[in-house]
Amino acid sequence: SQTIHQWPATLVQPVGSPLSLECTVEGTSNPNLYWYRQAAGRGLQLLFYSVGIGQISSEVPQNLSASRPQDRQFILSSKKLLLSDSGFYLCAWTVTDTQYFGPGTRLTVL
Amino acid sequence: DQQVKQNSPSLSVQEGRISILNCDYTNSMFDYFLWYKKYPAEGPTFLISISSIKDKNEDGRFTVFLNKSAKHLSLHIVPSQPGDSAVYFCAATPMTSGSARQLTFGSGTQLTVLP
Repeated sequence: SQTIHQWPATLVQPVGSPLSLECTVEGTSNPNLYWYRQAAGRGLQLLFYSVGIGQISSEVPQNLSASRPQDRQFILSSKKLLLSDSGFYLCAWTVTDTQYFGPGTRLTVL
Repeated sequence: DQQVKQNSPSLSVQEGRISILNCDYTNSMFDYFLWYKKYPAEGPTFLISISSIKDKNEDGRFTVFLNKSAKHLSLHIVPSQPGDSAVYFCAATPMTSGSARQLTFGSGTQLTVLP
């Protein structure tokens, strides 16, 4: 069966510091991978998606970037965090029409 | 512009009764709809989906209805249980020529099932 991992589970970072969140999927090959953010009291916003290694599409201009160095690894990064980057970050995968989500990372930027 | 709207931020239902969660969309290109359930500090869990070629899909206690002419879908939970208390998100995705389905989510409805 497929499993999706995200780490860290929680993170507290100062403004201006870098960020690296990792997502890995097990039990499937060549998945489409997604990064979402849920800000406090709001729905889920799609940030990036990837259909293959090295292929990244960005949905909204922002302070973040994404990379896919391996088939089942998706990384979300920032060079300098802003206060507005705080939120709950979710990775998702799919090989059909239904997306399945990881456990999420709670990021607090102070 | 919110393409997927969940106009009720919260809903309280007595245990054993029916819960009805509603969702409206504006984009006529959406052809696949999903419902997710989310507990605090966890990722959303897929519940049920429906393709635009159907108007109803049922899975156990969960049934999703789609009214394409009204651009409206609803999730029925019967009977409701206290463990169903969570935030429910509806999501929609359009027909695409590529291989990556992009979901647009509503803002969610907090369901509370009272014992």
